[in-house]
Amino acid sequence: DGGITQSPKYLFRKEGQNVTLSCEQNLNHDAMYWYRQDPGQGLRLIYYSQIVNDFQKGDIAEGYSVSREKKESFPLTVTSAQKNPTAFYLCASSPPGRAVEQYFGPGTRLTVT
Amino acid sequence: QKEVEQNSGPLSVPEGAIASLNCTYSDRVSQSFFWYRQYSGKSPELIMSIYSNGDKEDGRFTAQLNKASQYVSLLIRDSQPSDSATYLCAVNAWYGGSQGNLIFGKGTKLSVKP
Repeated sequence: DGGITQSPKYLFRKEGQNVTLSCEQNLNHDAMYWYRQDPGQGLRLIYYSQIVNDFQKGDIAEGYSVSREKKESFPLTVTSAQKNPTAFYLCASSPPGRAVEQYFGPGTRLTVT
Repeated sequence: QKEVEQNSGPLSVPEGAIASLNCTYSDRVSQSFFWYRQYSGKSPELIMSIYSNGDKEDGRFTAQLNKASQYVSLLIRDSQPSDSATYLCAVNAWYGGSQGNLIFGKGTKLSVKP
């Protein structure tokens, strides 16, 4: 089955801890994206990567870090520096040659207390 | 600041009616426009894309684009209760040298009453 997977579905952490969210795709997509969604808010871009070993900051990159060591994987680390980490995190990817057409994984709901 | 505006709703329509969802955008150079459907607690699902002025039909869905007015809409014919969801409008934006990034509206919540 081809698709985008995110794990875990739900994640609970204590304040002050770093946490890494997984995003994997087996669609041979080049570009990958991380968004966060808060209630009543649109999706906001955190980081994106168009090729392996390269990534760019989005609108709200502060307190987050990413890596892109493999085409299939784009993990997101939410650091303790992120002031309001509780949110729904969405990973997306785009097919080759159709960079604007983004397909989303199922998301990870992170709660930090 | 590039923006995509949608009426937050909720938009309530009876089953079988036409639901009309609207979106305006601020960036005149945008070329690609998308509608996503998001059920409560789930991730967005791409349902329509449109790139040229005019209408594009796919089953019960019709996307309409008017670049001069910077306006894109989604019509859902014969609305079903299963269409009840939040609909997100997304528009591409030049960003960091890439046109692959999308700006999302906050979404319109649609409720279809049986």
